[in-house]
Amino acid sequence: QKEVEQDPGPLSVPEGAIVSLNCTYSNSAFQYFMWYRQYSRKGPELLMYTYSSGNKEDGRFTAQVDKSSKYISLFIRDSQPSDSATYLCAMRGGSNYKLTFGKGTLLTVNP
Amino acid sequence: ETGVTQTPRHLVMGMTNKKSLKCEQHLGHNAMYWYKQSAKKPLELMFVYNFKEQTENNSVPSRFSPECPNSSHLFLHLHTLQPEDSALYLCASSQARRAVPSYEQYFGPGTRLTVT
Repeated sequence: QKEVEQDPGPLSVPEGAIVSLNCTYSNSAFQYFMWYRQYSRKGPELLMYTYSSGNKEDGRFTAQVDKSSKYISLFIRDSQPSDSATYLCAMRGGSNYKLTFGKGTLLTVNP
Repeated sequence: ETGVTQTPRHLVMGMTNKKSLKCEQHLGHNAMYWYKQSAKKPLELMFVYNFKEQTENNSVPSRFSPECPNSSHLFLHLHTLQPEDSALYLCASSQARRAVPSYEQYFGPGTRLTVT
């Protein structure tokens, strides 16, 4: 079983839709959970991070972590064409600084 | 210049060539990383430098040789590469406290490498 599973998509939605992106993981030692956004021909940029379980909201973006199910989600409300990118989940343990990434999900928001 | 810069942005090299990738960070960080990004695969950590000392070599073949002369610069020296080494090579940096790098990594735009 891979440490982090992420559906690569592609995912195509109309503008204004609510987007749900997800990752599952197997390592119960993971405590920090991150979402990176990568535009074409650019490096990934940190979008949100969450420590342990719970929700975190930032504007149109909400990150959720359910450690009991080993499942994390990123929700994008009122999606915009500018949200079109690849979204990467990443996670790490408390004392291990190494990030383990998912494969990324390619999202296209159509105007 | 701001953030993390990488040069060149594109590189085509033959299997017998020797080339180097350069990364520079302008963020005052003291940890730097090399990652490999291949299609349909997760980002693979290659090397980590923390306060100029290599703290991680993720079983990378010796045809990849990193160099970190100071906390702002990181190089990846390439020689006798294979076609399967073609990928996007990303550099990242982060702050570190008490020799533990922060989770928050800032990435450069990458070098698209093609080995022919």
